[in-house]
Amino acid sequence: DAGVIQSPRHEVTEMGQEVTLRCKPISGHNSLFWYRQTMMRGLELLIYFNNNVPIDDSGMPEDRFSAKMPNASFSTLKIQPSEPRDSAVYFCASTRGSGNQNEKLFFGSGTQLSVL
Amino acid sequence: SQQGEEDPQALSIQEGENATMNCSYKTSINNLQWYRQNSGRGLVHLILIRSNEREKHSGRLRVTLDTSKKSSSLLITASRAADTASYFCATPPGSGYALNFGKGTSLLVTP
Repeated sequence: DAGVIQSPRHEVTEMGQEVTLRCKPISGHNSLFWYRQTMMRGLELLIYFNNNVPIDDSGMPEDRFSAKMPNASFSTLKIQPSEPRDSAVYFCASTRGSGNQNEKLFFGSGTQLSVL
Repeated sequence: SQQGEEDPQALSIQEGENATMNCSYKTSINNLQWYRQNSGRGLVHLILIRSNEREKHSGRLRVTLDTSKKSSSLLITASRAADTASYFCATPPGSGYALNFGKGTSLLVTP
């Protein structure tokens, strides 16, 4: 099992540019989460998908952020336009089932985003 | 949102010593999880303890849960340099679906 795969590992871009982060969850996992990690705020949930459907996007900071999950094996998080305050590590995580709170999460290695 | 809070924020010990990290949370939960994050990597699940359990072991890890005090502790015995990482507790949300994470305890184990 390859685990949760995220790309790119690092992204450096200029303010105003579009950024697309990618995630491939573990095969057979039905739930996918996007988290953002910063020193100041820790880990924040951005959005949660179950069976490819967005269930909770209340953590998405603003309209500049959007996420899609066109199929069970792929999800994207897009920021357009990007701003320096978006600089953070973005993690994708997946789990079996339908968001059962007793399930453990499997995290990808993250995308380190720097917006200059 | 409900969020666990780890204490201390940072901990430095020598190899062979035990490391204890604490987590406090705000409202009733049905389980609590602990995760480890090595520098530059994603979080890795360590252990889950349910609300009807008081203590759980996994190798050199020992987790306790005191629901009356709304707190949990993670003990790493006979620590090794490879245990150097950040450790997070995670609790289910009051509403919604996803786990809430604290800001973590940064553990440094020196040889």
